[in-house]
Amino acid sequence: EVQLLESGGGLVQPGESLRLTCEASGFNLRDDWMSWVRQAPGKGLEWVACINGDGSKKHYLDSVKGRFTVSVSRDNTKNSLYLQMNGLRVEDTAVYFCARDGGGGWYSDYWGQGTLVAVSS
Amino acid sequence: QSVLTQPPSASGTPGQRVTISCSGGTSNIEKHNINWYQQLPGTAPKLLIYGSSQRPSGVPDRFSGSKSGTSGSLAISGLQSEDEADYYCAAWDDSLDAWLFGGGTKLTVL
Repeated sequence: EVQLLESGGGLVQPGESLRLTCEASGFNLRDDWMSWVRQAPGKGLEWVACINGDGSKKHYLDSVKGRFTVSVSRDNTKNSLYLQMNGLRVEDTAVYFCARDGGGGWYSDYWGQGTLVAVSS
Repeated sequence: QSVLTQPPSASGTPGQRVTISCSGGTSNIEKHNINWYQQLPGTAPKLLIYGSSQRPSGVPDRFSGSKSGTSGSLAISGLQSEDEADYYCAAWDDSLDAWLFGGGTKLTVL
């Protein structure tokens, strides 16, 4: 059974950093594309970033380019996806979901439950 | 502001058929398939339709999707109270090299 579990969210001040982790089970995330999608309180879904299985291809939302970095674990004993978030802004406040992108990366077929990132002074 | 445009709300009575539209452009929907996601209150999104018209296993055939040109739609027939949720369309955009989501449609079952 495919499961995704996000962690690492919390309350930080503007300009600070956080690293989100998405632990995958039931599949090898190095075989699939993976995405991060966020949802600000009371708002819609917003895609943030995606990465292919070997980490050689990455795409980012324009507003996070240069601040966020998506990666997969280099340790083969871990089946994890990461989102390093630097220079956090108030507008980055959201629940962050990780998702597996099936069909060669063309749709998000499994989602985690999300982790809340709150940026406030 | 989303580049994919959905109506903010839709409604219907039990048993009715409702449709939700998703309008895009030549760099996204015209070139790529649409995915639809259902988000029940307080839960993670769930894939409802992929490849514009394909249903993942377990999704009832009351849900169907279509695409033509730069727009697409999600249809729900035999509306049920448990269909009350937010629905989002999504498509890849070649110009932005990014996934786009529509702004979401809140479906109310009256």
